[in-house]
Amino acid sequence: AQKITQTQPGMFVQEKEAVTLDCTYDTSDPSYGLFWYKQPSSGEMIFLIYQGSYDQQNATEGRYSLNFQKARKSANLVISASQLGDSAMYFCAISGNTPLVFGKGTRLSVIA
Amino acid sequence: EAQVTQNPRYLITVTGKKLTVTCSQNMNHEYMSWYRQDPGLGLRQIYYSMNVEVTDKGDVPEGYKVSRKEKRNFPLILESPSPNQTSLYFCASSRDRRSYEQYFGPGTRLTVT
Repeated sequence: AQKITQTQPGMFVQEKEAVTLDCTYDTSDPSYGLFWYKQPSSGEMIFLIYQGSYDQQNATEGRYSLNFQKARKSANLVISASQLGDSAMYFCAISGNTPLVFGKGTRLSVIA
Repeated sequence: EAQVTQNPRYLITVTGKKLTVTCSQNMNHEYMSWYRQDPGLGLRQIYYSMNVEVTDKGDVPEGYKVSRKEKRNFPLILESPSPNQTSLYFCASSRDRRSYEQYFGPGTRLTVT
């Protein structure tokens, strides 16, 4: 079975600062994918970034980057230059031979 | 525009009154799934479907039914809703189970009194 652990229920960050949201995972699948989603207060799920387990480089998408450390089974999300609009819930998820499994989420609050 | 649609977006109902939440995608995706989201628990999968007429249980299937008669539609059925099924429900689709392009519907907020 696959499992995602997000140990930070809530985080605060100053506007324009960088922030790291933690995610560790457990899986027995040799090939898997790791995802991060953003859920603003309006409720929709917004895909942010994806990392394949065999990808050689860490994924980046604009201000988002994924710090993938395979040996440590971690897939932390780094948001650079935080903006007020980044305030939201953030979910880490994993897919492999079983369907997508989500963590419990981290609520990020960006302070002006 | 590629999208997943869900209806209704909001629903308040009473215990025991059968309801259906519809989900439709226009991307010819094979894989579709339903999740429920509850505070502090993240998203948990209810059912998923690999293709037409192929469905399987997720982590929390009790009290729910699904069907996949057409590729584009994947309705979620609550035969006898109970208050513990009050939740935010998401439908999602992707090309296949392992695809990283997962598309989510806008969510359906269900309240069962």
